[in-house]
Amino acid sequence: AQSVTQLDSHVSVSEGTPVLLRCNYSSSYSPSLFWYVQHPNKGLQLLLKYTSAATLVKGINGFEAEFKKSETSFHLTKPSAHMSDAAEYFCVVSAFNFGNEKLTFGTGTRLTIIP
Amino acid sequence: KAGVTQTPRYLIKTRGQQVTLSCSPISGHRSVSWYQQTPGQGLQFLFEYFSETQRNKGNFPGRFSGRQFSNSRSEMNVSTLELGDSALYLCASSLLFGAGDDYEQYFGPGTRLTVT
Repeated sequence: AQSVTQLDSHVSVSEGTPVLLRCNYSSSYSPSLFWYVQHPNKGLQLLLKYTSAATLVKGINGFEAEFKKSETSFHLTKPSAHMSDAAEYFCVVSAFNFGNEKLTFGTGTRLTIIP
Repeated sequence: KAGVTQTPRYLIKTRGQQVTLSCSPISGHRSVSWYQQTPGQGLQFLFEYFSETQRNKGNFPGRFSGRQFSNSRSEMNVSTLELGDSALYLCASSLLFGAGDDYEQYFGPGTRLTVT
């Protein structure tokens, strides 16, 4: 079984300040972890992914995430928020289970950027 | 190359009707997955097809079905529509499905279904 918990449903930050979106996961198998972003009326776009290589993962648009197995966390960060970062962010876990792979999505975190 | 396309983008149906949604994956992608997104339940996995075979299925009733054609295009069908089926239906394609360094899903813009 696998699950993912996004600890904040809504985060507001001022433009130019750091962003932290928190995600905890559980998985019976070695997981792959992803962050997706969804802008209004758009599909999901992959920001970054962890697949058992480096624990610090760099993604697009200046985002990065660190896989911490001891804490079962995969928090998303960005040093300086931009207005265009306003969107919904989803943390996703996928565990390879011999043909029974599926993605499990978190409930999402809505990021608001204050000018 | 072209991204994942979904048709139609918007659909209004009445209770009891059935509906078919279409998804064209990125060229060369053989895996197509379908998801339902609602404000209350979030994003939920419906099913995944690979080489015309359903390989994985989420926890949805049998009213939800799908298929994949030899060109990897996929259709999703919902019969006997209920008000609760109103949602954004997202399709995603990938070369393969599952974990691994090469794994990545590309999402389409979705079909917004409204059931009245």
